Amino acid sequence: DAMVIQNPRYQVTQFGKPVTLSCSQTLNHNVMYWYQQKSSQAPKLLFHYYDKDFNNEADTPDNFQSRRPNTSFCFLDIRSPGLGDAAMYLCATSRKGETQYFGPGTRLLVL
Amino acid sequence: AQSVTQPDIHITVSEGASLELRCNYSYGATPYLFWYVQSPGQGLQLLLKYFSGDTLVQGIKGFEAEFKRSQSSFNLRKPSVHWSDAAEYFCAGTTNTGNQFYFGTGTSLTVIP
Repeated sequence: DAMVIQNPRYQVTQFGKPVTLSCSQTLNHNVMYWYQQKSSQAPKLLFHYYDKDFNNEADTPDNFQSRRPNTSFCFLDIRSPGLGDAAMYLCATSRKGETQYFGPGTRLLVL
Repeated sequence: AQSVTQPDIHITVSEGASLELRCNYSYGATPYLFWYVQSPGQGLQLLLKYFSGDTLVQGIKGFEAEFKRSQSSFNLRKPSVHWSDAAEYFCAGTTNTGNQFYFGTGTSLTVIP
């Protein structure tokens, strides 16, 4: 019954080593989002896809990229993770202007 | 600018007591408003939402919220809190014209015996 799936739930990477987080959905929603959430803070939107249209937030570092090969899947690529990128990464989906449904998140640890 | 504000960073209530978490919004158009709950290390779970119509909305786990346009508020309430309600609560808003979702900074709820 899982609707928004994130893999893996925990990811450990080394400083500077590229890492990819994945998100898939069974809701057929046209919008997919990636958020970064640090401890005791609100989720911070990194970018979102409206269908195939990529929308980057102005303050999202270039180190973060995303791919959406089809409606169901969306990936977050961190090209050179730094210690400051350790966080929970949340994927969400929605129809435009409607409720966002969140996945369980991937906790990233950078060593 | 569109925004959602949660004035209370942390609230402590006794088990069985009533709860009210505050949320204020700033939107030009009628907003769509949401309350989410997040347990430690977990994703966000939707408690309830308001799009239009009846200003008192019922959600899961016994929660309700009331949209008050005159006060620009969408406060979350529960008549009797359970220990399992201890979590972080986020208010969020959007409009039907866009994809941008605005989160409040969250309210951490502690429930004491």
